[in-house]
Amino acid sequence: DAGITQSPRHKVTETGTPVTLRCHQTENHRYMYWYRQDPGHGLRLIHYSYGVKDTDKGEVSDGYSVSRSKTEDFLLTLESATSSQTSVYFCAISDSLREAQHFGDGTRLSIL
Amino acid sequence: GQQLNQSPQSMFIQEGEDVSMNCTSSSIFNTWLWYKQDPGEGPVLLIALYKAGELTSNGRLTAQFGITRKDSFLNISASIPSDVGIYFCAGPVSDSGGGADGLTFGKGTHLIIQP
Repeated sequence: DAGITQSPRHKVTETGTPVTLRCHQTENHRYMYWYRQDPGHGLRLIHYSYGVKDTDKGEVSDGYSVSRSKTEDFLLTLESATSSQTSVYFCAISDSLREAQHFGDGTRLSIL
Repeated sequence: GQQLNQSPQSMFIQEGEDVSMNCTSSSIFNTWLWYKQDPGEGPVLLIALYKAGELTSNGRLTAQFGITRKDSFLNISASIPSDVGIYFCAGPVSDSGGGADGLTFGKGTHLIIQP
């Protein structure tokens, strides 16, 4: 699957706790993305990265932060998780502006 | 942001039937992408369209980039059980970003095949 690994695949945690999701790629692609998928909303962009240490906000970035210290890793952090952040989170990568994105298998996050 | 409207929301068809679904937008897109998602997995790219009027096939799948650049269509011929899933259209968040600043997705068409 395009060399993308998301971890963990499933997580259950409590409101107010910090959570970090990891996306690791072996393709050496420049661009990386985090999306969330919720019923009735499709996939929505949270944050994206266009290079090491270069990140920017997407449509639904409130409550999330990201970091990219190496080409292969893109971390998504929920500083203080809320129940509204219960969702399935997908990482995607692409190599050029015209190339379509390829997705990981997702992380199912439940916040109680 | 730009919104993509997919229809129908769901389709119940018999195996062997042809399927048609579409995606429309109030904004112009320079790229249209079609993805399929199976349960528990991430979306998988089916077809990418980069030019208005373009018609592209991938096996039994055919997609077209509308001439107005505000719509796209996906057709599946002679459906089989493994075609079941959710089909999404997508396009770049912004024209200036060229896709580097992410994709915007439709809400999907659920395809259900009855035996």
